[in-house]
Amino acid sequence: GESVGLHLPTLSVQEGDNSIINCAYSNSASDYFIWYKQESGKGPQFIIDIRSNMDKRQGQRVTVLLNKTVKHLSLQIAATQPGDSAVYFCAESAVHDMRFGAGTRLTVKP
Amino acid sequence: NAGVTQTPKFQVLKTGQSMTLQCAQDMNHEYMSWYRQDPGMGLRLIHYSVGAGITDQGEVPNGYNVSRSTTEDFPLRLLSAAPSQTSVYFCASKGGQGAYEQYFGPGTRLTVT
Repeated sequence: GESVGLHLPTLSVQEGDNSIINCAYSNSASDYFIWYKQESGKGPQFIIDIRSNMDKRQGQRVTVLLNKTVKHLSLQIAATQPGDSAVYFCAESAVHDMRFGAGTRLTVKP
Repeated sequence: NAGVTQTPKFQVLKTGQSMTLQCAQDMNHEYMSWYRQDPGMGLRLIHYSVGAGITDQGEVPNGYNVSRSTTEDFPLRLLSAAPSQTSVYFCASKGGQGAYEQYFGPGTRLTVT
């Protein structure tokens, strides 16, 4: 079946460094991709999204890159801060279905 | 706006008991959904609704029932709880046709013994 996955389950970075979280997807029919952040004890929170007709989108301190050739999605966080520590999920979406990866836990060291 | 709210936050059930997880949203969103989150497995879709009176199954619907009598509310029912239903449950909603971003509630942590 189709799946959304992540390359690394954990990522530890130094405060101030840039973070890169990767995601592989396998459903070539998905037309929308989203990154969510989930802090301990809370629900997922939308970070940034990208449509399949784009290869890059930037937000505040975050950039999402989409490589449809290799079905790869990445989230870049610039100048990572302690408040960025959380689990990050990628998700692929059709209109009535959203499939999530297992998540990567980002830890920011002071 | 309160966004998406869920009650209770925590619940412990014995095997065979029934209960209803409540979900409400005040954003007038047509689409609502229920997910369960298990360690290492990500969020999995249980049921969803595209509007009042309309529900459909997601990836893991067995053991759960839903109904959607109003736009605001989307309760999830466990008729006979099983230990395999121990999980964290999230309700989410999103806007009208063409909307993709889902807004999640804070979750309900359910333990079935």
